[in-house]
Amino acid sequence: AQKITQTQPGMFVQEKEAVTLDCTYDTSDQSYGLFWYKQPSSGEMIFLIYQGSYDEQNATEGRYSLNFQKARKSANLVISASQLGDSAMYFCAMREPMGASKIIFGSGTRLSIRP
Amino acid sequence: NAGVTQTPKFQVLKTGQSMTLQCAQDMNHEYMSWYRQDPGMGLRLIHYSVGAGITDQGEVPNGYNVSRSTTEDFPLRLLSAAPSQTSVYFCASSRRLAGETQYFGPGTRLLVL
Repeated sequence: AQKITQTQPGMFVQEKEAVTLDCTYDTSDQSYGLFWYKQPSSGEMIFLIYQGSYDEQNATEGRYSLNFQKARKSANLVISASQLGDSAMYFCAMREPMGASKIIFGSGTRLSIRP
Repeated sequence: NAGVTQTPKFQVLKTGQSMTLQCAQDMNHEYMSWYRQDPGMGLRLIHYSVGAGITDQGEVPNGYNVSRSTTEDFPLRLLSAAPSQTSVYFCASSRRLAGETQYFGPGTRLLVL
């Protein structure tokens, strides 16, 4: 069965530093998609970045990049030059297989940026 | 486009009452899903639909019913509310394409007394 694990319940980072949020996943399928979402204190879910299992390059979107290590089944989110507005909950999610309707989520990491 | 809309924003129920959470999307998305988010936790899938007339159970379906008579609407029914169903409920939709993200509604905060 598919499973997403986020082992860091909370993290504190100094403003302007880079931060890595960990995500490991378990799947028996070769075709899957990985997502990261941000949930600020206001509660909405904001899509950040996507990585397909067949993508050879790591996904990047502005200050966000996904460190995809397929053999280790990890999909860590890297935020460069963190900003105060990055303080939020971050969720890793997986869609298996790639075009499936179901997306499952990890338990999340609460990131707090210190000024 | 309004995107994904949910009503109501907030609801208080007494144990045993029933109610329907409404969800609508105007993006012609095939896929729609309902999640619940308990405090400090991730989202757990309740029910999902791959198109009008087709629904299936997610991780935590007990106590909830869904139907999808149109592409746009995907209501979630609580049959007999219990305090354990106190949560924030999110509806989401997406296209039937690999790599497509889900678009989330703003959520409904439900309190069952």
